[in-house]
Amino acid sequence: DTGVSQDPRHKITKRGQNVTFRCDPISEHNRLYWYRQTLGQGPEFLTYFQNEAQLEKSRLLSDRFSAERPKGSFSTLEIQRTEQGDSAMYLCASSSGLDNEQFFGPGTRLTVL
Amino acid sequence: AQSVTQPDIHITVSEGASLELRCNYSYGATPYLFWYVQSPGQGLQLLLKYFSGDTLVQGIKGFEAEFKRSQSSFNLRKPSVHWSDAAEYFCAVVLLTASGTYKYIFGTGTRLKVLA
Repeated sequence: DTGVSQDPRHKITKRGQNVTFRCDPISEHNRLYWYRQTLGQGPEFLTYFQNEAQLEKSRLLSDRFSAERPKGSFSTLEIQRTEQGDSAMYLCASSSGLDNEQFFGPGTRLTVL
Repeated sequence: AQSVTQPDIHITVSEGASLELRCNYSYGATPYLFWYVQSPGQGLQLLLKYFSGDTLVQGIKGFEAEFKRSQSSFNLRKPSVHWSDAAEYFCAVVLLTASGTYKYIFGTGTRLKVLA
């Protein structure tokens, strides 16, 4: 059982730099989700893919954020011109869609200095 | 607007004591409800879920939750807490979006501390 994996687990960057995170979902899952979690808060939905199609985007996802899932397998989340307010844990989840249960990865913790 | 409220930010119980974590939701239709646990450095792990049917659902690690439609609640319970239960617990409701997909709305979490 490989589960959902995310890379890197931690990222420290300077303000203004670009960062990219990767998520590898459970192999048979066609649905993939990105969430952001800040300290003391629950995860907040960012975006959703069904196969390679990005079907839903939160208003939290500003123009500096972009997500892709080019072959319907792994996904990347890129943040351009990072700001200190982007510091958070970025969580990825996947599901088969059969009963809406989402399986979460360990997250990527981003710190913007 | 749909929302999930976890009124207790922190809860401290003694090992062996019973536990109840509160969750209230605001949602027009019959919700799909979940409880997840998050330990430090770990991903969210599903404890249990409610879709329909029996309003008392059993989960992993000895947890159970009861769906009460009249109170819009889905409280999590455990009769005897173990030190390893110390973690953060999140209640979530699943929404059907305009695009026909489902997304989670999480509560702000309850951090559980267990005293030896």
